[in-house]
Amino acid sequence: NAGVMQNPRHLVRRRGQEARLRCSPMKGHSHVYWYRQLPEEGLKFMVYLQKENIIDESGMPKERFSAEFPKEGPSILRIQQVVRGDSAAYFCASSPPSDPHNEQFFGPGTRLTVL
Amino acid sequence: SQQGEEDPQALSIQEGENATMNCSYKTSINNLQWYRQNSGRGLVHLILIRSNEREKHSGRLRVTLDTSKKSSSLLITASRAADTASYFCATQYTGGGNKLTFGTGTQLKVEL
Repeated sequence: NAGVMQNPRHLVRRRGQEARLRCSPMKGHSHVYWYRQLPEEGLKFMVYLQKENIIDESGMPKERFSAEFPKEGPSILRIQQVVRGDSAAYFCASSPPSDPHNEQFFGPGTRLTVL
Repeated sequence: SQQGEEDPQALSIQEGENATMNCSYKTSINNLQWYRQNSGRGLVHLILIRSNEREKHSGRLRVTLDTSKKSSSLLITASRAADTASYFCATQYTGGGNKLTFGTGTQLKVEL
């Protein structure tokens, strides 16, 4: 059973470009979470999704950031018109549908560098 | 802010010694979880303790939870060089849904 998969592992973008980060949850998991980690800091929650639904986006910046988890395929975190301050590690986590108040399994992260 | 804080920020010990890290949080919780992160890597789940539990063990790990003081501790016994990593506590706070609120982390270095 493969773990949470994220790609790409490293992404370099110039200011103003778009960044697309992908996350495939563990098999059987229908809850997906995105977190951002700035250098030397802890992780900060961004958004929580279930299939085709955004459940909690209280941590998402109001502009330029969006997330989706379609019925088929991976969850996508999209950052439009990236700025240098978006440089960070973005982690995806998933949990099973039976008990979301439980362990979240994390992917290896995507490290975004904005030049 | 619901964010927890770990104490100390950094800890350096000799192999074989015990390492204790503390975490404080600000509001009532459903559970508290500890994660390890090796440099530049993803997070590995270590242990989850629910709000109605006081102590939990897993191998060389021992976690305590004091909800009256809103604090938790992680004890690693007989540390090894491979335990060198950053350790984070994360809470699912009551009314906060399923999201995890992470602390600032403790950087543990275990020297040979």
